Amino acid sequence: GQQVMQIPQYQHVQEGEDFTTYCNSSTTLSNIQWYKQRPGGHPVFLIQLVKSGEVKKQKRLTFQFGEAKKNSSLHITATQTTDVGTYFCAGRGAGGTSYGKLTFGQGTILTVHP
Amino acid sequence: NAGVTQTPKFRILKIGQSMTLQCTQDMNHNYMYWYRQDPGMGLKLIYYSVGAGITDKGEVPNGYNVSRSTTEDFPLRLELAAPSQTSVYFCASSYDPSGNYGYTFGSGTRLTVV
Repeated sequence: GQQVMQIPQYQHVQEGEDFTTYCNSSTTLSNIQWYKQRPGGHPVFLIQLVKSGEVKKQKRLTFQFGEAKKNSSLHITATQTTDVGTYFCAGRGAGGTSYGKLTFGQGTILTVHP
Repeated sequence: NAGVTQTPKFRILKIGQSMTLQCTQDMNHNYMYWYRQDPGMGLKLIYYSVGAGITDKGEVPNGYNVSRSTTEDFPLRLELAAPSQTSVYFCASSYDPSGNYGYTFGSGTRLTVV
């Protein structure tokens, strides 16, 4: 079945440093979503990417979808303590009827030292 | 709007006991999902539903059952609880299968089986 791998598993940064997490799928994706989960909380939807090579920005967050639609990345510029949490990518396989089912990566746990 | 509401928030079960995790949403979403989250393992899909009366297995359905008698409610039943079912359970819903609006997650149920 479809697998979505995410690296790194952990990332510790000093406040103000940049952060990047990478997501790779074993199969071509129709789209990919990103979620953030604060410690002790639940995942919250951040964004969806659909087009090959798509780049979207939300303030200090930049999301990219690979040309082959099998990989994606999330980059945070100048991290802040409010960025702490686990970032998940979640992909939906291309083709067929998937009823919206997403396959989640393992997540990257980000800690930010003030 | 309350969004997705899960009860209970915490529960301790003894091995062999049964329980139902409740999930209700007030957004009139047709698509609903149950995930479990184990440390460092991301989110695994247990069951999903595309509408009232229609359910299907996800990646890890063994030991669980679901029903969907109404659009609003999607309870998850654990029969004969086992320590391997110790996890955090999240219910989610979505507006459409393409996921343009992402998933809305409940706050989770933290279950311990002893």
